[in-house]
Amino acid sequence: ELKVEQNPLFLSMQEGKNYTIYCNYSTTSDRLYWYRQDPGKSLESLFVLLSNGAVKQEGRLMASLDTKARLSTLHITAAVHDLSATYFCAVVNSGYALNFGKGTSLLVTP
Amino acid sequence: DAGVIQSPRHEVTEMGQEVTLRCKPISGHNSLFWYRQTMMRGLELLIYFNNNVPIDDSGMPEDRFSAKMPNASFSTLKIQPSEPRDSAVYFCASSSGRRGGTDTQYFGPGTRLTVL
Repeated sequence: ELKVEQNPLFLSMQEGKNYTIYCNYSTTSDRLYWYRQDPGKSLESLFVLLSNGAVKQEGRLMASLDTKARLSTLHITAAVHDLSATYFCAVVNSGYALNFGKGTSLLVTP
Repeated sequence: DAGVIQSPRHEVTEMGQEVTLRCKPISGHNSLFWYRQTMMRGLELLIYFNNNVPIDDSGMPEDRFSAKMPNASFSTLKIQPSEPRDSAVYFCASSSGRRGGTDTQYFGPGTRLTVL
């Protein structure tokens, strides 16, 4: 069974600070996704990572993938309040199913 | 594109009643997924359709749940009879289904179901 673990599950950080969210998964997969969910809203796709060493950046968010370590990171640079949300990593299982982590609830405070 | 469309957005019903959730995937997508989100269990895949055919329904909780996809632009998830433990947010997602690419799943707005 594919397990996906995120940490931390809750993160409160000040504006302007940097932080990293970690996503570990238990078995080999060919795709890893990061999604964002605002309270009461749907899931928005942020990044898809396909290969070892892949790095994607969008604004203050940067995601990377190490398939050998089965680890992905989501790095937040100089956080702003608009980044407050829950961030999920999801790993593809059996070619189509997404196995989600429990999510990291991020709160950025002034 | 309008994205994935779901209806209703909110549903409140009483235990024992039948509930039908509806989904219209993104035009041209041939893979459709139903997920359920709860605080306790997080996001779980219920069923996956490819080209309107159910491929994996191993996540469907029990016989009270059924899903259909009569054509490429419409799917339903039915719960009969409903129980309070079915209360959750139900998401529909679709993807192009093309192998070898990113095949990102795009999620609808969800249906928040409350069973009293």
